[in-house]
Amino acid sequence: DQQVKQNSPSLSVQEGRISILNCDYTNSMFDYFLWYKKYPAEGPTFLISISSIKDKNEDGRFTVFLNKSAKHLSLHIVPSQPGDSAVYFCAANHAGGTSYGKLTFGQGTILTVHP
Amino acid sequence: DTGVSQDPRHKITKRGQNVTFRCDPISEHNRLYWYRQTLGQGPEFLTYFQNEAQLEKSRLLSDRFSAERPKGSFSTLEIQRTEQGDSAMYLCASSLARVNSGANVLTFGAGSRLTVL
Repeated sequence: DQQVKQNSPSLSVQEGRISILNCDYTNSMFDYFLWYKKYPAEGPTFLISISSIKDKNEDGRFTVFLNKSAKHLSLHIVPSQPGDSAVYFCAANHAGGTSYGKLTFGQGTILTVHP
Repeated sequence: DTGVSQDPRHKITKRGQNVTFRCDPISEHNRLYWYRQTLGQGPEFLTYFQNEAQLEKSRLLSDRFSAERPKGSFSTLEIQRTEQGDSAMYLCASSLARVNSGANVLTFGAGSRLTVL
């Protein structure tokens, strides 16, 4: 069962504009959500996280929004830069018991930012 | 600290052979994770350790897969009698997990790519 879904395989954006990457989840027990970025031939690197008790977290050009009732989160990148071109993964964590720290990932969205 | 190191970066093997991957985590981290990633998918959890204890291994894909972390430092992932379906990127990650400390951020290595012919 795919508990974390990223339904858009790819997104193309012009440099300087906003990039919005979306993620849906089904498990209401998730209490932290994280976004990772992955360049070719590298491992995923952490970008930003949000607790399920918050609805927004901002870090520089990156903002994550959480809509808990809709089980939906999104990552906004403003302004987008060509160096942001990568695969973006949404991940979720349920802190209970031995599941703590085990992340469940979405399929990823390929972001391409054109100069 | 150079981050999470994985070796080898790429392994090509013939079906039926055994392969072993090594992961050296960030030294201060107490948890170590193995994930598998196939083309077009996100990383899929396999198993994890807290220090030397393997806390969950139910997601290891079959009894051909095993992982060890003998002294709570580096870890190995072994696949016996490899099959073509085992071809994937095997990712290792580590974290410093503390109770009630918020999101447990995993730091990933670059991965070991396995190709089974």
